[in-house]
Amino acid sequence: TAGITQAPTSQILAAGRSMTLRCTQDMRHNAMYWYRQDLGLGLRLIHYSNTAGTTGKGEVPDGYSVSRANTDDFPLTLASAVPSQTSVYFCASSDGKNTGELFFGEGSRLTVL
Amino acid sequence: GQNIDQPTEMTATEGAIVQINCTYQTSGFNGLFWYQQHAGEAPTFLSYNVLDGLEEKGRFSSFLSRSKGYSYLLLKELQMKDSASYLCAVSDGDYKLSFGAGTTVTVRA
Repeated sequence: TAGITQAPTSQILAAGRSMTLRCTQDMRHNAMYWYRQDLGLGLRLIHYSNTAGTTGKGEVPDGYSVSRANTDDFPLTLASAVPSQTSVYFCASSDGKNTGELFFGEGSRLTVL
Repeated sequence: GQNIDQPTEMTATEGAIVQINCTYQTSGFNGLFWYQQHAGEAPTFLSYNVLDGLEEKGRFSSFLSRSKGYSYLLLKELQMKDSASYLCAVSDGDYKLSFGAGTTVTVRA
């Protein structure tokens, strides 16, 4: 069972370059999320989408953009990366009903130099 | 906004019991989650509480008091594989989860 697939697993990026982190789910979940995880700060919500065609800003959206063209895909783009965006990024999904339990991808480790 | 507090670290002996507390102040509430995260891995779901009281699931139990903004996760009969971070998270009513910084539990032989 694939669940949520993220790519790349790890990436080193020069400051000022753009980067898209890919996220695909095969559970037909309505809602998808992007979090970043930093030591001592925990998981912080960047952007979310409650359903295909809609997106919303989370706690730390600046410097990031997302799109939700269909149910399965939710890419996260860094238009011009800065060192403070060095982090581990997790994509997650939920069925948007019942408990709202999140299912996470394996994460993408991004280093911006 | 959300404010979720939990201890940074806890250490316990194999076979013992550990209780991880979580306090929260949130603008909305649609349930409280506990996740487990091993180093270098994704978080995985442990428990969900939306009503006051204790939910038991094998060696793990979770308690919620909505009036006090308080929850705890109880880990019994600790095993070495329970060494991990435990994340407390609150759902705001719009199915967005806010997370605490996590509690790292180290189990010693």
